[in-house]
This record gives sequence, structure tokens and C-alpha cells, in this order.
Amino acid sequence: GNSVTQMEGPVTLSEEAFLTINCTYTATGYPSLFWYVQYPGEGLQLLLKATKADDKGSNKGFEATYRKETTSFHLEKGSVQVSDSAVYFCALRSSGGGADGLTFGKGTHLIIQP
Amino acid sequence: DAGVIQSPRHEVTEMGQEVTLRCKPISGHNSLFWYRQTMMRGLELLIYFNNNVPIDDSGMPEDRFSAKMPNASFSTLKIQPSEPRDSAVYFCASSSTRIGGDTQYFGPGTRLTVL
Repeated sequence: GNSVTQMEGPVTLSEEAFLTINCTYTATGYPSLFWYVQYPGEGLQLLLKATKADDKGSNKGFEATYRKETTSFHLEKGSVQVSDSAVYFCALRSSGGGADGLTFGKGTHLIIQP
Repeated sequence: DAGVIQSPRHEVTEMGQEVTLRCKPISGHNSLFWYRQTMMRGLELLIYFNNNVPIDDSGMPEDRFSAKMPNASFSTLKIQPSEPRDSAVYFCASSSTRIGGDTQYFGPGTRLTVL
């Protein structure tokens, strides 16, 4: 079956530090890959996505590249801000037509200190 | 545009009571998903509908859980009878396959506490 593995944290960084959150996956075929962010007390918001190998998703300074050879989709940001403090979820959706549910990693709690 | 709407936002009930969670998807979306979030198990897919038809309910934990989607703009998730281990945050999400999108948009969640 499908699975997503990500570092759980908490990850604590200082403002303006470089961020990497690792994510690897197991799936058949060519899944779509996502990063969602959850701020305290809120639902999940899509941060970025990539639907095929070598695609790079980007948004709000965050980036992630779909690496099929290493089955990875690591999230990066060059300079984090206090407002980036949240829980980040890596997820995949199986390939094929129609809608399928997402398989999520356990989430990484990111804390940015001023 | 209104996002996914869930009600209630918070629900506290006693063991054995019936609980009904409600969801209104984004207008025009034809797929709807129910997820549960707990500290121990993270985010789990419970069930999803496509064009109001349940497609995969293999994530529904027990017969105590049931979900319906009587029309394109409304879905319910019912727990009867509720148990303390059902305490979690329940999210509803919707997406559209008609326009080729696979992005799921999440509601704010219902925090359920069963005493």
C-alpha cells in the first residue's frame, strides 16, 4: 500500500535559517505529491504540489522537487520567518483517473524562534 | 468564495450518545472526503464520495461510523454510539475531478470530545 514517511520533529530553527523537511514515499505508479500546512486551530492548507517526476512545486518561498529515483519530495525554504511556525504534512495521491484519498505523513512541527 | 464549511466546530458529548458531523463542500466540487486526525495515528482517510456515491469506506473504523451524501452540497458523518476513543478532529475536504484538479481543500475541522 501507499505510505509517506517524514521527520516528525519538533524542528526548532532561528529566524532566517535554511529549512529542510525530509519526505519519502512508497507508492505504485506515479502518484501526485503534496505539502500541506496546518496552523494552530485551523484546517490544512495546500502549500505546494507536484504531479510528475522532476516537477518543482513552489509557493511563499517554499520549494519541493518530485524525485522519482529517490522517491522523495523534500520541502525547503531559504530563509524562514516566525510566521512559518506550523505543522507541515507531506502527502500523496495515487495515480489514475478520478479522485482518491490522500495518504499523509505524521506531520512535522516547525518552530521558528526570533 | 466560501471554502469547505463544517459544523459544529466543537462537540462535547458523553459516551453512548449519537454524534452527527456536517460538511458543505465547495460549490461545484464533485468529490468529498472525511478524515480523522489524532495524535497517535495522524491523519487518516475514513471515506470518500465521488458524485455523491461512496467510493471507498475501508477507512471507517467500525460499524458505529456511517457517512451519507444525500446531495452535492451536503454530507454527514455519524457516530452511534460514540466512545471516548472516537475523540479526535474530523476534517472534511472537497475537490473537483471535472476540471482535472486533484487538490483537496480542507474545512476547519470539528473537534470531538467524547467523555
